[in-house]
Amino acid sequence: KQEVTQIPAALSVPEGENLVLNCSFTDSAIYNLQWFRQDPGKGLTSLLLIQSSQREQTSGRLNASLDKSSGRSTLYIAASQPGDSATYLCAVEESGNTPLVFGKGTRLSVIA
Amino acid sequence: NAGVTQTPKFQVLKTGQSMTLQCAQDMNHNSMYWYRQDPGMGLRLIYYSASEGTTDKGEVPNGYNVSRLNKREFSLRLESAAPSQTSVYFCASSERYNLGYGYTFGSGTRLTVV
Repeated sequence: KQEVTQIPAALSVPEGENLVLNCSFTDSAIYNLQWFRQDPGKGLTSLLLIQSSQREQTSGRLNASLDKSSGRSTLYIAASQPGDSATYLCAVEESGNTPLVFGKGTRLSVIA
Repeated sequence: NAGVTQTPKFQVLKTGQSMTLQCAQDMNHNSMYWYRQDPGMGLRLIYYSASEGTTDKGEVPNGYNVSRLNKREFSLRLESAAPSQTSVYFCASSERYNLGYGYTFGSGTRLTVV
């Protein structure tokens, strides 16, 4: 059974810092990996999707990397802002058209 | 706005009562899902529907039933609510694109069973 782990569970940083969120998964035979953002009381918003054949994806200040062989992904946020404060969730898709398996998330607070 | 619409947004039930959570998407997606989110537990899959006319159990299906009414609508029913079903419920839909499956989530239904 696929298990997704996110470390740390919570993180607080001052504004302007670069930071890294970690995600690990137990079965490396994945189809793709996705990062989502969730604001308090809201649904999930997709940030980045990395196919199993890719090493990284970038969107603005966000960069996600994937090392499938070691079962790890990182989400790098550059020059953090208070508006980045949210919970970030990692999820893997094991094969085409199978539901996502989620980690428990990292709650990020960026302090002005 | 296009997306996934869930109703109601909030609900309080007494133990033993029944209710149906409604979900509709207007993006013509084939696949739809119901997840529950509990503190410290992340999102756990209850049921999903890969296409109209099919449904499958997820990780935590006990106490729930689903209906894929048509391509747009996927409902979740609690026949006899229990306090353990207090949670936030999210509906999602997905469709395959070049890079994989793009997911869209609803804003959630916060259910309290007393």
